[in-house]
Amino acid sequence: SQELEQSPQSLIVQEGKNLTINCTSSKTLYGLYWYKQKYGEGLIFLMMLQKGGEEKSHEKITAKLDEKKQQSSLHITASQPSHAGIYLCGAFGGSNYKLTFGKGTLLTVNP
Amino acid sequence: NAGVTQTPKFQVLKTGQSMTLQCAQDMNHEYMSWYRQDPGMGLRLIHYSVGAGITDQGEVPNGYNVSRSTTEDFPLRLLSAAPSQTSVYFCASSYFEDRGQEGYTFGSGTRLTVV
Repeated sequence: SQELEQSPQSLIVQEGKNLTINCTSSKTLYGLYWYKQKYGEGLIFLMMLQKGGEEKSHEKITAKLDEKKQQSSLHITASQPSHAGIYLCGAFGGSNYKLTFGKGTLLTVNP
Repeated sequence: NAGVTQTPKFQVLKTGQSMTLQCAQDMNHEYMSWYRQDPGMGLRLIHYSVGAGITDQGEVPNGYNVSRSTTEDFPLRLLSAAPSQTSVYFCASSYFEDRGQEGYTFGSGTRLTVV
């Protein structure tokens, strides 16, 4: 079965700093999703990457997919307290409907 | 509002009690699933359904039952609650063939404590 490893597990940054979260798959990626979760809430969709080399941006968050490395990275520029939360990557792997998730990266942004 | 609705938001059960976590979606999604989220374990799939009348086990199905009598509803039943089932439970849904750009739509979760 596919496994997704996220790094780092947790991250504390000062407001205004840039940061990167990585998601590495044990198998070929057939689409990679990034979600954000605030404490006590559900998962909110951020973006989906489907093709190798694809890069998408939403406000100050950019995600890239490196198909050869079976890896995706999520980069936040000039972090703000509103970026704090748990970031999770998810992928379908060999199944076309069962989404497997990484364990998440807990991001804290200090004002 | 369109989306996935989970009830209740919070629940405390005594060991051995039974209860049903409700999940309803109004997007006509064929696929529905239940996950549990535990610290350090991430999201783990409990059960899923690809359409009314069809259910299957996920990664951690023991202690849970599901049924799918309608497209809209996918309840999760705990027959005899155990402290190990203390967790946050999420219901998610999507189209089966064409997931579009958003993958799953998630409910806001049910925080369950078994004492």
